[in-house]
This record gives sequence, structure tokens and C-alpha cells, in this order.
Amino acid sequence: QQQVKQSPQSLIVQKGGISIINCAYENTAFDYFPWYQQFPGKGPALLIAIRPDVSEKKEGRFTISFNKSAKQFSLHIMDSQPGDSATYFCAASMSNNNNDMRFGAGTRLTVKP
Amino acid sequence: DAGVTQSPTHLIKTRGQQVTLRCSPKSGHDTVSWYQQALGQGPQFIFQYYEEEERQRGNFPDRFSGHQFPNYSSELNVNALLLGDSALYLCASSLPGTVYGYTFGSGTRLTVV
Repeated sequence: QQQVKQSPQSLIVQKGGISIINCAYENTAFDYFPWYQQFPGKGPALLIAIRPDVSEKKEGRFTISFNKSAKQFSLHIMDSQPGDSATYFCAASMSNNNNDMRFGAGTRLTVKP
Repeated sequence: DAGVTQSPTHLIKTRGQQVTLRCSPKSGHDTVSWYQQALGQGPQFIFQYYEEEERQRGNFPDRFSGHQFPNYSSELNVNALLLGDSALYLCASSLPGTVYGYTFGSGTRLTVV
């Protein structure tokens, strides 16, 4: 059922460094690509999302880069902080169509102080 | 403004039993989706309810059923529980007819022994 592949599985970054998480999708009908952040014991929370009509979207320290031809998108966390330590999920869906959202398997990020 | 509320938080059931999980969507949302998140995995779509009807279903057996009430709250029922049903069950609500503004609850941790 998984149509979104996410890597790496886990990532350790020093405080102040850049965290990069990559995702690839298969279904070209997907047109909405969100990233979710999940802390232990909590549900995923929307972090940032992009539509395929733009190649990059930035919100604070978080940036999504999108490559439509390669069917890939990535999350960059600049100036990573210990508070960013969480599991990150990329996802993809077809908007305005009541369809389900397909999630990647997740990346566990640890930011060391 | 309350977000998505799920109950109970944790639940332990015996194999073969039946379980009912409950969800109240975020104010203003009338679409409810249920996801299963196995340990170390991304959420997987179970089904979505809108206007009290199941609109779409993922690759889950008929043992998984649901209901949506006139106040948009929803229940997930699982019959004949298997050990493999142990997971975090997430409810997500969204704006009418789309997955935009997907808001997840904190989930119900179901353990089947």
C-alpha cells in the first residue's frame, strides 16, 4: 500500500546543523505533499506542506524542496535544535478528492546538544 | 478551540475480543479519517467518513468498521481482535471534502494480548 518511500530511517545531527530528510513518490496524481512532526505519545502534527506548482517553500527554519520530474521532495531543517528531536513523516495525497493520505515510514531525528 | 479528541488513551484487550474507539473532530471539521500506526511505521489509512457515510476504505479487513454520528464524531470498531491489531489508532479530521487542514488526535494505544 505504501506509495511514498522515505529516507533515512534515523538521523543524528549536532545542534546548529542541517537535517535533511528525503521522500520519493510513485503516483503522479498526488498533488499535496505535507510533512508531519510526531513526538512520543502524540499524534502527527502538520509542519509544512507544498503543492507541485512550486519548487520550494520555506517557513522559518523548515524548507521543503520539490522536484516534480524526479517525483522527489525533501525537508530541510536549518539550525537544528534539540527540541526538533522527533519523528518526521512525509506524506502525499490527491487533494479535493476525499482520498486517503499516504505516509512514508518516518525518520527519527535526534539533535545532539 | 479544542482539537481532535480521542478516547480512551490506552486500552488492553484479549485476542478475539471486540473494541470501540471514539473520536471527536476539531470544531468546524466534518470529515473524519482513521489511521493505524504500527510501532516504528507511518500511519496507514483505514477509512474515511463524511456525511455519516464511509467514503473510502484502505486495505483493511471487514473486521474494521466505523460509524459517524450527526455531530460528526466517529467510532472505530474492531472485531475478533488479533495480536497484529496492536497499534496506535489515530483519528484525523479535516475540512469538508479535502485533506487540507488535516488535524490528528493523540491516538488510542491498543494492545492485544
